[in-house]
Amino acid sequence: GDSVTQMEGPVTLSEEAFLTINCTYTATGYPSLFWYVQYPGEGLQLLLKATKADDKGSNKGFEATYRKETTSFHLEKGSVQVSDSAVYFCALDSGSARQLTFGSGTQLTVLP
Amino acid sequence: GAGVSQSPSNKVTEKGKDVELRCDPISGHTALYWYRQSLGQGLEFLIYFQGNSAPDKSGLPSDRFSAERTGGSVSTLTIQRTQQEDSAVYLCASSLDSSGANVLTFGAGSRLTVL
Repeated sequence: GDSVTQMEGPVTLSEEAFLTINCTYTATGYPSLFWYVQYPGEGLQLLLKATKADDKGSNKGFEATYRKETTSFHLEKGSVQVSDSAVYFCALDSGSARQLTFGSGTQLTVLP
Repeated sequence: GAGVSQSPSNKVTEKGKDVELRCDPISGHTALYWYRQSLGQGLEFLIYFQGNSAPDKSGLPSDRFSAERTGGSVSTLTIQRTQQEDSAVYLCASSLDSSGANVLTFGAGSRLTVL
């Protein structure tokens, strides 16, 4: 079945540090891939997505590239801010089942 | 409405009681999902509604859990005879349809605590 494995947290960084959160997946066919973010006290919201191999999703300075050869979709940001502190979820939609499959989430804390 | 609305935001109940959680999706969204987020865990799929089709109940953990969606809009998740392991945040999401890259809009969740 479909599965998503993402880097365990928590991750603590200083402001302006480089961020990488690893995500790998197992799926049938050619899934669409997503990163969702959950800020404290809020619901999950879409951060970025990619629908086919080699696509790069980007938003708010975050980027992730759909790598079919390594079945990965790692999230990166060159310079994090305190306001980026949140839980980040990697997810996939394989199309074979209509619900998204989520990873376990990675808690990011950015210190000033 | 502008977003997905869930109520109550917090619910504390005693073991063995029944609870109902409500979700009001974005107007016009035909797909509606329920997920469960337990402490330190990822999101666990529970149930999915799409239009007038039969719901996908494959994620419901036991027959104590049920959900309905009336008129293709508001949904209620019911947990009967609650157990302590049911304590979690229950998240509802909706999407415009279930084709293509499926972008979900989530509510803020209902936090359930079973004592």
